[in-house]
Amino acid sequence: AQKITQTQPGMFVQEKEAVTLDCTYDTSDPSYGLFWYKQPSSGEMIFLIYQGSYDQQNATEGRYSLNFQKARKSANLVISASQLGDSAMYFCAMRPGYSSASKIIFGSGTRLSIRP
Amino acid sequence: EAGVAQSPRYKIIEKRQSVAFWCNPISGHATLYWYQQILGQGPKLLIQFQNNGVVDDSQLPKDRFSAERLKGVDSTLKIQPAKLEDSAVYLCASSFLTGGTLQETQYFGPGTRLLVL
Repeated sequence: AQKITQTQPGMFVQEKEAVTLDCTYDTSDPSYGLFWYKQPSSGEMIFLIYQGSYDQQNATEGRYSLNFQKARKSANLVISASQLGDSAMYFCAMRPGYSSASKIIFGSGTRLSIRP
Repeated sequence: EAGVAQSPRYKIIEKRQSVAFWCNPISGHATLYWYQQILGQGPKLLIQFQNNGVVDDSQLPKDRFSAERLKGVDSTLKIQPAKLEDSAVYLCASSFLTGGTLQETQYFGPGTRLLVL
């Protein structure tokens, strides 16, 4: 079965600290893509970062990096130097298969709150 | 570049009433998605269109939900009759291609928050 698990319903972090949001996935497909999205209170999902199952290096996008451990089936998001504007829901997602025709499966999300 | 537009932003109805949501994707995007996001959960795909054809509607409750994208641009999602459990945020997203790479990004609209009383 295709599944994304996010075990942290909520997290509080002090501003300027780094934070790791956990994500594990389950798929029998050898090819898949992993995504992280941010959902602020305004409601729209904002794409943050992508990791392909065959990518050799961990993905990075500015302050975001993805700690991809294929053998453990984990894809944790690391946010460095957190800012107040990082407070939001964060969703890990997976697209199994070989093309964008496959549907994306989302986890249940982690609510991140940044303390000033 | 304008983003994905959705309306209305909020809707309150009573059970057994009908409701419709509208979505206008980013210009030039061939693929359009409707998601249902129940409180405390991640989005769940209801239906995926490529141009005006349906690619995937396996999770659409077809006894009460319908969707169309007649001219391959904007789309309407309808619920008739609504049930209490339909209370959720309905998100529309679009992407440039279907059949592109796994990395093909979906761009989301702000969603419509539906409350069924």
